[in-house]
Amino acid sequence: LAKTTQPISMDSYEGQEVNITCSHNNIATNDYITWYQQFPSQGPRFIIQGYKTKVTNEVASLFIPADRKSSTLSLPRVSLSDTAVYYCLVGDEVSGNTPLVFGKGTRLSVIA
Amino acid sequence: EPEVTQTPSHQVTQMGQEVILRCVPISNHLYFYWYRQILGQKVEFLVSFYNNEISEKSEIFDDQFSVERPDGSNFTLKIRSTKLEDSAMYFCASSEDGTGSFWGYTFGSGTRLTVV
Repeated sequence: LAKTTQPISMDSYEGQEVNITCSHNNIATNDYITWYQQFPSQGPRFIIQGYKTKVTNEVASLFIPADRKSSTLSLPRVSLSDTAVYYCLVGDEVSGNTPLVFGKGTRLSVIA
Repeated sequence: EPEVTQTPSHQVTQMGQEVILRCVPISNHLYFYWYRQILGQKVEFLVSFYNNEISEKSEIFDDQFSVERPDGSNFTLKIRSTKLEDSAMYFCASSEDGTGSFWGYTFGSGTRLTVV
């Protein structure tokens, strides 16, 4: 798995857009970028994955520049329920049974 | 949406006692995992299990830990002689196919183990 760097914590007010950037300078050609979300006292949950450019689903958007050395998770109009830890993981999706290894993630606190 | 079910949600045990944490993975998943999270720290990989045997384990997963799939549906983690530092949230996860795809992991809600 490629090493990733993301902010330890972020605060945001309700209704704002939140962007969490992850750096992954050593990303390999076959690597995908995946984000997981962990609510307090729950297990992590997959939210989005991408390889390049932009991916959007009902939860978030993921922006990946052409050099793929970083990525930005964008959460539109956050609410209190988006308070969670967000993990950026980078690795080869088809390398076999490589278990997920989580870093410290970014703790997002949404304030009313 | 299919879920990974873990029981119990909270277990308190005395130091030195054996505990068994139970998990029911998603029925068509092939890979099973245990992770733990000490309060305030990151989620740590313990062990992965495929085809009725351990496929990978971390240095945390020492001789006091064991895993088993006793009946084709349950997946258990046994801690033989618990220590205070084993107090943590233990998460079971399963993934769908042989690639271990990052997006295919489904985690349970965890068992909070408290060793006193």
